[in-house]
Amino acid sequence: DTGVSQDPRHKITKRGQNVTFRCDPISEHNRLYWYRQTLGQGPEFLTYFQNEAQLEKSRLLSDRFSAERPKGSFSTLEIQRTEQGDSAMYLCASSPSGTGNEQYFGPGTRLTVT
Amino acid sequence: GQQLNQSPQSMFIQEGEDVSMNCTSSSIFNTWLWYKQDPGEGPVLLIALYKAGELTSNGRLTAQFGITRKDSFLNISASIPSDVGIYFCAGPPFGSSNTGKLIFGQGTTLQVKP
Repeated sequence: DTGVSQDPRHKITKRGQNVTFRCDPISEHNRLYWYRQTLGQGPEFLTYFQNEAQLEKSRLLSDRFSAERPKGSFSTLEIQRTEQGDSAMYLCASSPSGTGNEQYFGPGTRLTVT
Repeated sequence: GQQLNQSPQSMFIQEGEDVSMNCTSSSIFNTWLWYKQDPGEGPVLLIALYKAGELTSNGRLTAQFGITRKDSFLNISASIPSDVGIYFCAGPPFGSSNTGKLIFGQGTTLQVKP
C-alpha cells in the first residue's frame, strides 16, 4: 500500500506566476485535506473534500487559491499570481470516513516565491 | 478560535533519557492526535486518542488523553537519536468532528545528544 504522494516536492517560482500542485491520496480514502505550514508553525487547514465535493474552505484560502478533486481521487491545488507570502510547505492528507479523525499526510510540496 | 499550546517549545536531551511533553487547550477536544515531523517531510501519525483518560502506547511512546479533555501528554522512553524531530499535537476543533479538519499545536522540537 502506497501512502499519500505529492508532486512536485519542491517548486521555485517568480512572483506573479501561477503554480499547481498535485496530491494522490491513499487509494481507498474518500476524504482529502490540504494544509499549509510555515516555518516554526504547525500545519493550518486550507480545504477539505469528501469524494469530489469540496465541503469546507478556510478563510486562509484567498480568491487566488483554488482546489479541485474532479473524480474523487487525486486533487490539485492551484495558486494564481503568487506572492512572496505564499512561500510555505503545502501538505495534503487523506483519511477514510468513519474512522475518527486520523489523517495521513504526504511529504508536502515546498513552495518558494522569489 | 481554539488553540493548542504545546510545551516545552524545545528540548535537548541525552540519549537514553525519558521525555515528556504536553498539549493544552482552553476548550474541550474529543480526539487527540500526536504526530512527528522530520525536516522537509510531512507529519507522521504516532498515536490517536479518543476517550478521556485513555492511555495508549506505540513502542517506546505513550500518550494520554487528559481527564478534563483539555489536555494530552506524550512520553518517550529511552530516547534514541532517531527520535529527533518536531512533535505536534492535533485535534478537531469543536463542531468539526464531522469534517475531521484538524488544528495543530506549534510543536515541540526534540534534539537528542548521542
